Parts: sequence; structure tokens; C-alpha cells
Amino acid sequence: AQSVTQPDIHITVSEGASLELRCNYSYGATPYLFWYVQSPGQGLQLLLKYFSGDTLVQGIKGFEAEFKRSQSSFNLRKPSVHWSDAAEYFCAVGGRGSYIPTFGRGTSLIVHP
Amino acid sequence: DAGVTQSPTHLIKTRGQQVTLRCSPKSGHDTVSWYQQALGQEPQFIFQYYEEEERQRGNFPDRFSGHQFPNYSSELNVNALLLGDSALYLCASSVRTGKYQETQYFGPGTRLLVL
Repeated sequence: AQSVTQPDIHITVSEGASLELRCNYSYGATPYLFWYVQSPGQGLQLLLKYFSGDTLVQGIKGFEAEFKRSQSSFNLRKPSVHWSDAAEYFCAVGGRGSYIPTFGRGTSLIVHP
Repeated sequence: DAGVTQSPTHLIKTRGQQVTLRCSPKSGHDTVSWYQQALGQEPQFIFQYYEEEERQRGNFPDRFSGHQFPNYSSELNVNALLLGDSALYLCASSVRTGKYQETQYFGPGTRLLVL
């Protein structure tokens, strides 16, 4: 069975500081990995995805994530956070033969001015 | 290129009523999935439609049913509404290619409140 763990329920950073959101997954084969962002009351927007190839993936809004197979991790990073980045972030895992991604419980990002 | 659209945006119903939510997928997508997201929780998979048939289903009762039309749009129906059905209902569209699923793109959701 596939699963995703986002260890941090809340993360608080100051505007301009760097950010790293953690994601660990469990999947029996090569995973497809996703990060989504959700603003309050809105749908999920895809930030980036990893299917294969380069393990450092660039996404929208200045985000990047690195796939580390040995650590079963897919952490999301941003060098300088903006106040508009405050939102809920979901990591998800899927893969070949798995039509439905499994979501983590989310990390709420709070940005202080 | 229009993304995934959902209607209505908000809905208020009373217990025991029935509701229908609608979703139009992103252009070129043939698969629609529905999710329920309670406040402060992650999306929970309800079911997925492809080629006008329900292909996979999550752990939801039969009160939740759906339909996919030839133009790939979809409806989610919920009968005998309960207070616990209050949630944000998300539609996601994707392309099913061969043995695996491509990336899911989500709509803005329909906020359902059951009183």
C-alpha cells in the first residue's frame, strides 16, 4: 500500500527566509510524486511533479523539490518565502498501476512579516 | 485553455436532501476523479470515472454516486445528506494512458454545507 507522511503539521517562517517542507513516502515501485498548494477555500494547484529523470525538480512560484530514493523523501524547498506563499501544502504519491494518488495530511505554512 | 471547472461554487442543503455537483475537465482530459475534503483534512478519494464508467471507488457509501457524460464532464450525486457530508468537494481531471495515470489537475471545488 502506498502512503505519505508529512511530519510537520505547521511551519512558521519569516518573509524572505528559506523554506523546506518534508515529505516521506512509502511505495512498492518507482513512485510518481507531487506537491500541491491550497489556499483557504480553494482547490489544489500543482506546484511540481516527479516521474523520472533528474531528481531535482523545478516548479512554479520558485519552488523546487528533490527526490531521494534512499531516504524515500521528496522535500519541497524555496530559497526566499513571500507572504503570499502562506497556504496548505500537500505531498502526494502515485505511480504505474496506481490510478489514484495518496495524499499526505498537509503542512500549513505561516509566513510572518 | 480552460482548466477544470466546477459548479456551483457554494451550496446549502438540509439533512435528507439530495445534491448534484458538476465538473468539466481540462481540455484533452478523459478521466474525472472526485474527492471530499473536510475542513483541515486532506482530500479523500470518492471515485473515478473513465469511459463513462466508475473505475475505482474509495471508502464511501452508496449514497455517493456519479456519472460521466460522452463529453467527459461528470456529476457527483449525494442522496440522503448527513451533517457529516459538509465539506469541500473537489473534482480532478487527468489523462489515462495505458497502465498509469497522468497528473491530476484540480478544480476550485464546491463548498457544501448541510444544515
